[in-house]
Order: sequence, then structure tokens, then C-alpha cells
Amino acid sequence: NAGVTQTPKFQVLKTGQSMTLQCAQDMNHNSMYWYRQDPGMGLRLIYYSASEGTTDKGEVPNGYNVSRLNKREFSLRLESAAPSQTSVYFCASSVGPGADYGYTFGSGTRLTVV
Amino acid sequence: GEDVEQSLFLSVREGDSSVINCTYTDSSSTYLYWYKQEPGAGLQLLTYIFSNMDMKQDQRLTVLLNKKDKHLSLRIADTQTGDSAIYFCAESDSWGKLQFGAGTQVVVTP
Repeated sequence: NAGVTQTPKFQVLKTGQSMTLQCAQDMNHNSMYWYRQDPGMGLRLIYYSASEGTTDKGEVPNGYNVSRLNKREFSLRLESAAPSQTSVYFCASSVGPGADYGYTFGSGTRLTVV
Repeated sequence: GEDVEQSLFLSVREGDSSVINCTYTDSSSTYLYWYKQEPGAGLQLLTYIFSNMDMKQDQRLTVLLNKKDKHLSLRIADTQTGDSAIYFCAESDSWGKLQFGAGTQVVVTP
């Protein structure tokens, strides 16, 4: 089925550990995004990639890095996890600027940092 | 930056209509969206409205847009238990980036 695939679905990390969240889309979308979702705060943009080869900071980029590996894949890396990074992380993709189709979201990664 | 505001909770009886309200601040938003999130899942696009429209209807869903007041609403007719979810309002900027509200938890009671 076409869509956005995120791995892993669940992860528990110890403070200071690193990990990479993977995201891939098979819709030939140009733009990809990483959000975190925390109770009562909606979705906050961490990083985005408007097109292959470009990445930009969003609202809450501190503590994260991203890589747009190719048109399909956009990964999010936590270099040294902190308890404040406990959250649900969503990857999304879209056709690109000016398109009216909104975003397609993955099913999320639930990350707990202890 | 731009802010999108929504009430956090709505309780509605099965069969009644639900109305979820949203206010936004960016008058240049091209499109405005409603997303639905069921427990443990990602967000699904429900519907969207172009900024030069006042209303859009799609089966049980009606979106109303008041550009003067920067107010967006989603009406769900004949609300069912399967409509229990979190509903997010979002506005897009000219680059297609979305700004989301905090979400409205809708609980449908029998």
C-alpha cells in the first residue's frame, strides 16, 4: 500500500543513547517533515526537507539532526537522548509547495527516554 | 509566528451534530485543513478548503470559513462512535508548510 512508513514503532532509550528514526514514502513526494506530538501541544515541526538535497530547521530542532538520503527517505537522529525527547514522532510527506493535498502521515514512533 | 487555536475537548451524543472551531492568524494562508487522529494512529486528512471559499461540504462533513474573523469550523452531522478522535485544524503557508492547532478531543457518548 502506498504511504509513509516509519520504523521503529516503539523504542525505549536510556539518557545519552543515540538512535535514528527511519521514514520512507513511496508516493514520489518532494517534501518531507518530522514532527513531535506532546499532550496539549499539538504537533511541532522539528525539521523539514522541501526537496531532495535540502533540509531546514523547524520550530523545535535542538537535539536533533536529519538526513534526506534520497527522494524517498528522510531520517531523524537523536545524538544524545534526553528525557525531554520522550514523545511520539511523526514523519509526513507532501507533493510540495503550493499543492492542495496536505500531508500524508506515518503511523508514528513512540519514544521513551529513561 | 502564526498560531492556530482550538478548544481542547468536545463531548457530543451519538446522532447529534458536532461543531469543532478553530481560529488562525495567518491571513495569507492558501489552504486550511482538518485532520483526524484515532488512538495510536497517525493523522488522516479529512478535508480541506481553499481560502477563497466560504463553505465546503463532503458527505457528513461541512467546513465553514470566515476569512474576516479568521475562523474555521468543522461540522460533523449525525455523529457516530467512530467519530471519537482528536481533530486538528491546520493552516498552510505559501511554501506548503502546515501549522497545526493543539487538537480537539471529541468524545461521542451513546
